Amino acid sequence: DIQMTQSPSILSASVGDRVTITCRASQSLSGWLAWYQQKPGKAPKLLIEEASSLRSGVPSRFSGSGSGTEFTLTISSLQPEDFATYYCQQYYSYSTFGQGTEVEIK
Amino acid sequence: EVQLVQSGAEVKKPGESLRISCKASGYNFPYYWVAWVRQMPGKGPEWMALIYPSDSDIRYKSSFQGQVSVSADKSTNTVYLQWSSLKASDTAMYYCARGKARAPNGDCRFDSWGQGTLVTVSS
Repeated sequence: DIQMTQSPSILSASVGDRVTITCRASQSLSGWLAWYQQKPGKAPKLLIEEASSLRSGVPSRFSGSGSGTEFTLTISSLQPEDFATYYCQQYYSYSTFGQGTEVEIK
Repeated sequence: EVQLVQSGAEVKKPGESLRISCKASGYNFPYYWVAWVRQMPGKGPEWMALIYPSDSDIRYKSSFQGQVSVSADKSTNTVYLQWSSLKASDTAMYYCARGKARAPNGDCRFDSWGQGTLVTVSS
């Protein structure tokens, strides 16, 4: 199975900060990576697919990049509604999620 | 609008059986994969199984093979997840999710999710 490792596990930030979350895969994904946002008590929400394609309706402050085994999710200017947990997911071979990055208020 | 509506929370005893459901609407149900995803408290989601309702093609993650079973009813646009003998370690939130496949074998990202079904197994 492909393993996914996110860093950091917890990220403390303030409104307006630029934040970056990293996801590393145990083998090349050829770009087949997605990012999700999950708020407490809610289901995950797909933000980005194919490493960098923003889903319709997702604010443009979110962006994704990377290929191969290393990927990043960037929020250019953190908004109050962005405090949540973020997961990467590979779908190169079935599916594996990362362990999550909690973005908390500093 | 794509919607996945799951059955309500369940409290069961070890050894009991259980079936939970996920009713889909707003899209052509037979032609999208539907996944079951487990999320344990404080952990990331974990894909368990996928079903393609059109031909009932089913894929299980190896660690769930033989532990659960998945089925679909095209007449009601509903997918099911079933246990024959629950364990305390099955306590978790379970989501169904519609798969957007990159390939015919079910490699999917998940673009719509149900609201989740909390399953609690305790003596």
